[in-house]
Amino acid sequence: KAGVTQTPRYLIKTRGQQVTLSCSPISGHRSVSWYQQTPGQGLQFLFEYFSETQRNKGNFPGRFSGRQFSNSRSEMNVSTLELGDSALYLCASSLMNSGNEQFFGPGTRLTVL
Amino acid sequence: GIQVEQSPPDLILQEGANSTLRCNFSDSVNNLQWFHQNPWGQLINLFYIPSGTKQNGRLSATTVATERYSLLYISSSQTTDSGVYFCAVVSGNTPLVFGKGTRLSVIA
Repeated sequence: KAGVTQTPRYLIKTRGQQVTLSCSPISGHRSVSWYQQTPGQGLQFLFEYFSETQRNKGNFPGRFSGRQFSNSRSEMNVSTLELGDSALYLCASSLMNSGNEQFFGPGTRLTVL
Repeated sequence: GIQVEQSPPDLILQEGANSTLRCNFSDSVNNLQWFHQNPWGQLINLFYIPSGTKQNGRLSATTVATERYSLLYISSSQTTDSGVYFCAVVSGNTPLVFGKGTRLSVIA
């Protein structure tokens, strides 16, 4: 079975721009979660989607948004990028919910200049 | 929300040595996972272990849910074991909450 895939793997943007990251979960998995990892804050939860509905949201500003499609693929968008948005963005998939084992993709490393 | 504390924060071992990493959590959990983050940033699943004991080769893990801790054992460590080990838990309907990790360096 193919693992979780994320595109792009690396991204360089400038302040004020917006960015869209993509995540394809493991086949059959319906829950997708997004996390941000920075050296200062560690791994922080962004949001979780299940059946195209946002089920849970972390403590991030409204510039961070996401969605899930009918095939369970998910995208997250960050608008009006700030320097502090530079981070590794990780996507995880699980069968139904966070109580199931979660599997992570390789991540997208975003640099904001 | 639930708190997750990992210890030690840093660990340096000679190749061949054994080690124990600890994860304490502040509430009951319905998911506990151990991950190894490789140098490229990917989180590799080691164990899904909300309770009980599991073994996989040189690695084993034990979670004592009633006492709110989990242990990860690494035996006969190798340089390829180096990296950051994370414990993450779910309590109720929360998302995965991660500890700050243990950075392991194995020296040849």
